Amino acid sequence: EIVMTQSPATLSVSPGETVTLSCRASQTVRSNLAWYQQRPGQSPRLLFYGASTRAPGIPTRFSVTGSEAEFTLTIRSLQSEDVAVYFCQQYNHWPLTFGGGTKVEIQ
Amino acid sequence: EVRLVQSGAEVKKTGESLKISCKASGYIFDQYWIAWVRQMPGKGLEWMGSIFPGDSDSKYRSSLEGQVTMSVDKSTNTAYLQWRSLRASESGLYFCLRGTGQGNIAAAGYDAFDIWGQGTMVTVSS
Repeated sequence: EIVMTQSPATLSVSPGETVTLSCRASQTVRSNLAWYQQRPGQSPRLLFYGASTRAPGIPTRFSVTGSEAEFTLTIRSLQSEDVAVYFCQQYNHWPLTFGGGTKVEIQ
Repeated sequence: EVRLVQSGAEVKKTGESLKISCKASGYIFDQYWIAWVRQMPGKGLEWMGSIFPGDSDSKYRSSLEGQVTMSVDKSTNTAYLQWRSLRASESGLYFCLRGTGQGNIAAAGYDAFDIWGQGTMVTVSS
């Protein structure tokens, strides 16, 4: 099973700051990597898939980089609506696996 | 509008059976994989399995094979997740998801998920 490790577990930042979230796979997943945002009390929402394809409606202040086994999600100019847990997911191998999530809080 | 609407919360006792549903609308049900993911209280997301409604081709997490069964009813555009005998450890929030259908491996079920149901809370007690 591919283990997806996200760091840090929690980020506490001020509005307007830039945050960088990391997702590491235990082996290569090529570009078969997705990112999700789960706001409190809501279902997760797809942000990116194919490592870098932005899902419809996702603001451009969200961006991603990476391939193979190292991926990064960056959120510029953090807004209050970005308070959420962010998950990565690989879909290169069965079973499909998710990272444990990074919780982004506003200071 | 593309939607997945799940059945309501369930409270069950250990050993009881359960079948929860996920009704799709706004797209051609046959053409996109449906996955089930569970989220235990305060925890992350765990993929349980995926099913392709077109031919009911199914992939299960190996640890869950025999514990749960996925199925679909194409006449009502509904996917189901079923337990024959619930355990307390299976309490949690269960989501159904639709695969994006994008990319050259999506047809085999390897996919990200662009539509999520609202979740069904299952509580199992002794």
